[in-house]
Amino acid sequence: EAEVAQSPRYKITEKSQAVAFWCDPISGHATLYWYRQILGQGPELLVQFQDESVVDDSQLPKDRFSAERLKGVDSTLKIQPAELGDSAMYLCASSSTGLEAFFGQGTRLTVV
Amino acid sequence: AQKVTQAQTEISVVEKEDVTLDCVYETRDTTYYLFWYKQPPSGELVFLIRRNSFDEQNEISGRYSWNFQKSTSSFNFTITASQVVDSAVYFCALSAVNTGNQFYFGTGTSLTVIP
Repeated sequence: EAEVAQSPRYKITEKSQAVAFWCDPISGHATLYWYRQILGQGPELLVQFQDESVVDDSQLPKDRFSAERLKGVDSTLKIQPAELGDSAMYLCASSSTGLEAFFGQGTRLTVV
Repeated sequence: AQKVTQAQTEISVVEKEDVTLDCVYETRDTTYYLFWYKQPPSGELVFLIRRNSFDEQNEISGRYSWNFQKSTSSFNFTITASQVVDSAVYFCALSAVNTGNQFYFGTGTSLTVIP
């Protein structure tokens, strides 16, 4: 069964360091989402891609976060420099129709 | 603006009891979709169901059933004869074409089924 792949599953980094997460969506899915989920809360959208174009990045803290999907397939989310408040689960999802989203297992980030 | 409210933060039930998870939503769009996702301890979000705003027919899938009522802006989820494997956090979500099919999630309800 096709699934969204994310790596790494867990990441511990020191404050002010750079960190990157990778996502490979389900083959053929044009829409890709990055969500951040703080412990005890629901996921919140950081950025949405349609193919290689950014559709919505209004909630992305652009002073430290960046996201790219250069060939319209896999995607990378980067944080530089990481702050303590960035500790969260980072979830990637993809969709072919926009009518449902399939999520990866997420990357659990801890900033110390 | 879209908003999803899950007022129940945590629920505990004894195995085999029925349990209903509440979801109330707000939207000005006439075309929208409602979802339920399950998040087990491993962290991934597992899709359970999608309903569109024009289809208020209730749905049953095995032990799961969903009650969509536009009049009260609610989309409640019932698990019949709960099992320990149902223990997870459940999220209700909303998406609408006018907001780019972005998913808006509630804060989740943590369900614990006690054996």
